[in-house]
Amino acid sequence: AQTVTQSQPEMSVQEAETVTLSCTYDTSENNYYLFWYKQPPSRQMILVIRQEAYKQQNATENRFSVNFQKAAKSFSLKISDSQLGDTAMYFCAFMKFRGGADGLTFGKGTHLIIQP
Amino acid sequence: GAGVSQSPSNKVTEKGKDVELRCDPISGHTALYWYRQSLGQGLEFLIYFQGNSAPDKSGLPSDRFSAERTGGSVSTLTIQRTQQEDSAVYLCASSLPAGGRTEAFFGQGTRLTVV
Repeated sequence: AQTVTQSQPEMSVQEAETVTLSCTYDTSENNYYLFWYKQPPSRQMILVIRQEAYKQQNATENRFSVNFQKAAKSFSLKISDSQLGDTAMYFCAFMKFRGGADGLTFGKGTHLIIQP
Repeated sequence: GAGVSQSPSNKVTEKGKDVELRCDPISGHTALYWYRQSLGQGLEFLIYFQGNSAPDKSGLPSDRFSAERTGGSVSTLTIQRTQQEDSAVYLCASSLPAGGRTEAFFGQGTRLTVV
């Protein structure tokens, strides 16, 4: 079974600052996918970024980037130039490479607050 | 539809009653997932459908929970004899074939409160 751990229940930064959210995971799989999802108060989970474990290059999406350390089983999310709209719960998630049928395994989330 | 639609948005029910939660996936999405989000347990995977078939129902919390999908489209999650511990947000997601290569799109969930 896989586990995903997010050790920061809540973080608060000033607008325009850079913030890094931590995530570690445990798995015996060699190939898998990792995700960061954002959940605003509307409750709808929105995909922020995805990383394929067999790719060494870290994924980036505009202001969002990850630091994927496969050996350390670490997958942190960096948000640059943070904006008020980034305020939300952020969930790290794991999916086996051919395990779509098993769904996503989520961490417990980090509540990110961007202060004006 | 434009996105995954779930109904009702909120549901308050009395302990012991049955409830039915509905999910309308994005048209053409063959994979459909149900998750439960509760304060104590975080986000839990409940069940996956490929078309109308759910190969593994072991993620359902108890035999009071059942799910079905008809016509490869709409899915319903039914909870019989609801208990207070069933109070949670139930999220549905759909995607093209299952797997991390294709993005799963989530609905806004149904908040279930059992009183």
